[in-house]
Amino acid sequence: AQTVTQSQPEMSVQEAETVTLSCTYDTSESDYYLFWYKQPPSRQMILVIRQEAYKQQNATENRFSVNFQKAAKSFSLKISDSQLGDAAMYFCAYRSAKPGNQFYFGTGTSLTVIP
Amino acid sequence: EPEVTQTPSHQVTQMGQEVILRCVPISNHLYFYWYRQILGQKVEFLVSFYNNEISEKSEIFDDQFSVERPDGSNFTLKIRSTKLEDSAMYFCASGGLAGTDTQYFGPGTRLTVL
Repeated sequence: AQTVTQSQPEMSVQEAETVTLSCTYDTSESDYYLFWYKQPPSRQMILVIRQEAYKQQNATENRFSVNFQKAAKSFSLKISDSQLGDAAMYFCAYRSAKPGNQFYFGTGTSLTVIP
Repeated sequence: EPEVTQTPSHQVTQMGQEVILRCVPISNHLYFYWYRQILGQKVEFLVSFYNNEISEKSEIFDDQFSVERPDGSNFTLKIRSTKLEDSAMYFCASGGLAGTDTQYFGPGTRLTVL
């Protein structure tokens, strides 16, 4: 089975600064998708950004961008101009490109934004 | 924007009782999923459902659990004879046909087993 590792249980960042959350994964597949989900205290899972493995270009979504290194199986999330509302648990997730395949989640990184 | 909905938002039950968690997936999606998140832990896959049958399930999804799509809109997770360790947040998700589609999560149902 695929595994997703988030080695930073907790991170903090000053408001307006930039922070990078790390994620690595293990797979033997060549075609897959990677995601970052945000989980605020309400515990709803909110999609932040997604990356198709066949695309070399890193995905960006406003203040959120990823650094996708396929050979290294690394998928980090960069949050620029951090805002208080960014404080949440962030989960990295992997899924195969096969239709209907499940998500594999990492253990999460708790992000604190310091005013 | 269409979204996945789940009811109830919080369910409290006594150990040994049966519970049914309900989900309304996004209407044109074809794949449906249940995930579980025990407090403080990561989200874990339970089961996926396609074309009116289970397409994949994890080792967590034992005989205590069942899923059903009783009509064209609802997708349910039944837990028979609940145990204390079933206390968790249960997320429903849905996705489209192609593997390119993201899974969209509902807001979750918090299940508390006393």
